[in-house]
Amino acid sequence: EAGVAQSPRYKIIEKRQSVAFWCNPISGHATLYWYQQILGQGPKLLIQFQNNGVVDDSQLPKDRFSAERLKGVDSTLKIQPAKLEDSAVYLCASSFGTRDYEQYFGPGTRLTVT
Amino acid sequence: EDQVTQSPEALRLQEGESSSLNCSYTVSGLRGLFWYRQDPGKGPEFLFTLYSAGEEKEKERLKATLTKKESFLHITAPKPEDSATYLCVITQGGSEKLVFGKGTKLTVNP
Repeated sequence: EAGVAQSPRYKIIEKRQSVAFWCNPISGHATLYWYQQILGQGPKLLIQFQNNGVVDDSQLPKDRFSAERLKGVDSTLKIQPAKLEDSAVYLCASSFGTRDYEQYFGPGTRLTVT
Repeated sequence: EDQVTQSPEALRLQEGESSSLNCSYTVSGLRGLFWYRQDPGKGPEFLFTLYSAGEEKEKERLKATLTKKESFLHITAPKPEDSATYLCVITQGGSEKLVFGKGTKLTVNP
């Protein structure tokens, strides 16, 4: 079974630039999550989708971050404009259901903002 | 205020030297407590789910236990391949959101 795919794996941008990350979840998984993991900390949920609807985006900085999940499969997370404090690993995860705590994580995208 | 506190932050063991990692939580109405493992450059990998005090789960050299205020991850006779960061995660009543601790970085030397 193929795992959660993410791209790119690494990205370096200057502050005030824009960046986008892509995620392809495990086939058949209805729920998709985006997490931000700052060095030395645990992942923090940014947004959760159930199919193509948003379940929880309470911790998403909506003035600069946006996310979409077209057709309930792939998802894109965008940051515009980026700040220095956005430097982190962005993890995508998926699970079969909304109350499925066994989440499957992708390898992440390491973003460095200079 | 942190809802999940893990200790120690880092732990070095010799191969075969058993030890325990601690996770204490402060939320009321705990719905579930989970342990994940994270290797460098990878996303977390699910290990265990614990729902009620007194519950125990085992997997190879790992055993997770849960009390009303904390959870322990016991590692028996660890091997170098057990080296990773172990993350304690909770959900509380009324929310499906996972709240991660900062993790304990375990290094097992051969």
